[in-house]
Amino acid sequence: SAVISQKPSRDICQRGTSLTIQCQVDSQVTMMFWYRQQPGQSLTLIATANQGSEATYESGFVIDKFPISRPNLTFSTLTVSNMSPEDSSIYLCSAGDNSGNTIYFGEGSWLTVV
Amino acid sequence: AQSVAQPEDQVNVAEGNPLTVKCTYSVSGNPYLFWYVQYPNRGLQFLLKYITGDNLVKGSYGFEAEFNKSQTSFHLKKPSALVSDSALYFCAVRGAGSYQLTFGKGTKLSVIP
Repeated sequence: SAVISQKPSRDICQRGTSLTIQCQVDSQVTMMFWYRQQPGQSLTLIATANQGSEATYESGFVIDKFPISRPNLTFSTLTVSNMSPEDSSIYLCSAGDNSGNTIYFGEGSWLTVV
Repeated sequence: AQSVAQPEDQVNVAEGNPLTVKCTYSVSGNPYLFWYVQYPNRGLQFLLKYITGDNLVKGSYGFEAEFNKSQTSFHLKKPSALVSDSALYFCAVRGAGSYQLTFGKGTKLSVIP
């Protein structure tokens, strides 16, 4: 199984600022994804982080708001830009091998925007 | 489009009794089905998956799930519930042509001592 580490685990952010979340996997993985879990809600896919190219965003999510990098097969970042209280959520990184048969998740980054 | 339904927001069960958390799905082609558990203030932990093969899948912590193709269901079960099983449970699905998981809304399981 893959172990996924996220930083920061928690943060309180000021409205209008940006925060970058880091995701580190302990082995090389083909697929990396970013999800959002708003309070009391299920998980929604933000984007697929593609190694060496631009991320693929889901409907309702745009690169200007959620820029993503993936410089190699073990690391990705998600930036939440120009934050508002509506961005207060848990942001989860996930990863899987090429088969996609098992997708693992990090512990999440719990962001509160004030 | 793929979707998952977890019809129960909350399930209450007495400790030692069997538990079932329901999940139905909709996907094109053969489904890849997953259960995850989320404890308070934690991320998601993988419990079990169905890809192919036996319809009864065994996973972590004594949980199992039964795949029923005709009913498009993948219910999570455990023969004897523990208080420590109290958590939020998510069912997820993906189709053969996609690596992206679609999650249900989650079911809160409360095991009463």
